Parts: sequence; C-alpha cells; structure tokens
Amino acid sequence: EDQVTQSPEALRLQEGESSSLNCSYTVSGLRGLFWYRQDPGKGPEFLFTLYSAGEEKEKERLKATLTKKESFLHITAPKPEDSATYLCAVQAGSEKLVFGKGTKLTVNP
Amino acid sequence: ETGVTQSPTHLIKTRGQQVTLRCSSQSGHNTVSWYQQALGQGPQFIFQYYREEENGRGNFPPRFSGLQFPNYSSELNVNALELDDSALYLCASSPAQGIDTQYFGPGTRLTVL
Repeated sequence: EDQVTQSPEALRLQEGESSSLNCSYTVSGLRGLFWYRQDPGKGPEFLFTLYSAGEEKEKERLKATLTKKESFLHITAPKPEDSATYLCAVQAGSEKLVFGKGTKLTVNP
Repeated sequence: ETGVTQSPTHLIKTRGQQVTLRCSSQSGHNTVSWYQQALGQGPQFIFQYYREEENGRGNFPPRFSGLQFPNYSSELNVNALELDDSALYLCASSPAQGIDTQYFGPGTRLTVL
C-alpha cells in the first residue's frame, strides 16, 4: 500500500531561520510527487510537482528536491506569511493522490 | 482564468440526513477528484470522474456517490450521514487523466450533529 510520512509534525522557526521539511514515501512506481500549502480552513494550494529523482524546483523562498525515497522542502529565510501546513502527496499507479498528514510550520517575527 | 469553486462553504446536517456538495472545475479541466479531510489529517481520496464516468474510487462506502456533468462540474452525494462524516470536503480538477497536477477548491466544511 502506498504510504507517505511527513516530519516533523510541527515546526516553529524565527523569521529568517532556514530549515527543511521531510516527506518520505513508499510507493510502487512513482509517477509524481506534489507539494501543497494549506492555510487553516482553506483548500490546498499547489506549489510543486517533481517527477524523477534528482529533480529540483524553486519558487521564491521554497525549494523542493526529490530522491528515490524522500523529498525535502527547503525554506530559506522564512517570513511570518510562510506560516501554514505543508502537505506532500504522491501519485503512483492510479489516479488518486496519497497525502501525508502534513507539517504545520509557524514562523515567528 | 477561473479556479475551482465549491458550494456551499459550510453546511450543518444531522445524523441520517443526505447532503449534496457541488464543484465547478477550473476552465479547460475535464477531470474532477473528491477528497475528504478530517481535522489534523491529510486529504483522503474518495473518487475521480473523467468525462462523466467514475474513474477510480478510494476506500469509501457506497453511500458516497457522485456525478459529473457535460460541463465537467461535479456533485458529491452522501446518504445516511454519520458523525464521522464531519470533515472538509475538497474538490480538485486537472486538465486530463494521468500525471497532471490537481488544483483544489476552497472546500466545503460539513458538520454532522
């Protein structure tokens, strides 16, 4: 069964303090790995899609990387507005996305 | 370009009732997926519709059913509501089947009393 585990569950950072979120996965035949940002009570907002090991994508202060077993979301010099829950999802041999439980990030000013 | 929209925003029902949630997909998208997100959990896949046909289903009982219309909008119907059905229901659309990013709507918060 496809599985996604995200760590840590929660992370508190000071503004400007860089860190990384982890997403480890077990799937049969990865077709794509997705990162989303979710604000409280809202729908997930798409950030990145990664398709193969070694791939990297960047957007503002965020950078996503992918290996054969895990993905990292690196946050450089975060700001309070980066506070949100970050969700990782994988797509394997079917149409559905399998999500992790997310990492709740809080950035203090 | 209009994004994914869902209605209603919030809904309160009592146990045993039936509910219909609605979703309009993003312009140009013909595939719609529905997810249930309980508090503190990641979204769980309910089912997907492609060109008005169900195209994959998660581990949800038959009282969860859906429809997709010719304009690619979609409905999620839940019969015989249970307390555990209280959750945020998310609709996502994508341009086609296969490896395509799914774009989510704002969700419908369902509370079952």
